[in-house]
Amino acid sequence: DTEVTQTPKHLVMGMTNKKSLKCEQHMGHRAMYWYKQKAKKPPELMFVYSYEKLSINESVPSRFSPECPNSSLLNLHLHALQPEDSALYLCASSPLRGSANTGELFFGEGSRLTVL
Amino acid sequence: QKEVEQNSGPLSVPEGAIASLNCTYSDRVSQSFFWYRQYSGKSPELIMSIYSNGDKEDGRFTAQLNKASQYVSLLIRDSQPSDSATYLCAVLGPYSGGYQKVTFGTGTKLQVIP
Repeated sequence: DTEVTQTPKHLVMGMTNKKSLKCEQHMGHRAMYWYKQKAKKPPELMFVYSYEKLSINESVPSRFSPECPNSSLLNLHLHALQPEDSALYLCASSPLRGSANTGELFFGEGSRLTVL
Repeated sequence: QKEVEQNSGPLSVPEGAIASLNCTYSDRVSQSFFWYRQYSGKSPELIMSIYSNGDKEDGRFTAQLNKASQYVSLLIRDSQPSDSATYLCAVLGPYSGGYQKVTFGTGTKLQVIP
């Protein structure tokens, strides 16, 4: 059982659609992440939220818009995506030691996105 | 030079053998090291973390760290077909822009042959 839950598991969208990916964690962690993973590649960091505030944006295009409504929830809003954005999108949470990243990431099962 | 390097494999071992997975990292100030297991089509799962030089054992898994050589390894004893997966080495880097980033290696694919 995973304590980081992502919905939907699969999403197919056109380039003009607007959709959202959702993530919920029940681990009491104060850091949450979005990663993107392409086939046979490692996860690639997109965004980091620490204590519900955006602390890292890895130069992600504005067609991806993150949101952290509270300490348990993380959303990724998608708009005007390109076919090359098709990938597995992973949410993760992590305990913090004070404000420091412990590096221990707990991933959800991922949302597999296909952009047509 | 890549920050975290792994041999992509596949590494094939017979069932019951010891699988040895290796990783090198470039930033000498890194302090925290992790192994994640990722089954095909699934998300990564944290299986080991190591912070000090030497060995750390957890069941059939042993992580080894040598900071002087900037080398991390994962040994899997009595390998089982269910261990067949991609193993990602990850390193927690130094502070940059007020944040410590986890950098993943490209992963080593392990195949355990029955």
